[in-house]
Amino acid sequence: EAQVTQNPRYLITVTGKKLTVTCSQNMNHEYMSWYRQDPGLGLRQIYYSMNVEVTDKGDVPEGYKVSRKEKRNFPLILESPSPNQTSLYFCASSQSGIANTGELFFGEGSRLTVL
Amino acid sequence: AQSVTQLDSHVSVSEGTPVLLRCNYSSSYSPSLFWYVQHPNKGLQLLLKYTSAATLVKGINGFEAEFKKSETSFHLTKPSAHMSDAAEYFCVVSGSSGGYNKLIFGAGTRLAVHP
Repeated sequence: EAQVTQNPRYLITVTGKKLTVTCSQNMNHEYMSWYRQDPGLGLRQIYYSMNVEVTDKGDVPEGYKVSRKEKRNFPLILESPSPNQTSLYFCASSQSGIANTGELFFGEGSRLTVL
Repeated sequence: AQSVTQLDSHVSVSEGTPVLLRCNYSSSYSPSLFWYVQHPNKGLQLLLKYTSAATLVKGINGFEAEFKKSETSFHLTKPSAHMSDAAEYFCVVSGSSGGYNKLIFGAGTRLAVHP
């Protein structure tokens, strides 16, 4: 089954404790992206990757890191989480040309709470 | 720059009555427009897309949307609501930032369907 898998789905942590949210897709997609969803703000892009070893900042990259060492994986790293990073996070992937096709495939989300 | 505004944060309808979710966009060129749906505790799923072909676009589950350039609108409609339509809906426009094509999400409209 074609899917984007995120882990963990739920996490409560404390300020400053490094964490990683993993994302893996099995569709051989070139493009992958991380979003955060906050009430009233829709989805905002954190980082994206056009292909292996190619990553770039989205609209809200502060406090986050990513890497793309393999095509299927795109982990999101919070080196020193703060309470303002409490949010619902989504990983998404697309074959290419998202501007025209618009078809992003989303994971089911990771709800992070930073105390 | 591209932007999208969803005019209602919440819409409530009775089962069997029509659904209208409103979306206005701003774009400096002919845009691609999309609607995504997010069911509770799930990732987002593409509902339908407009990419400069027919102005009336049909999507999954009986939804459709009409692109009206003169009104800069892309409203989502369904003739008869079903309980399973209760979800959050996002209007999305494709944009360009520094040569990179991205999707810009509206803030979302939560649709409630009552028996």
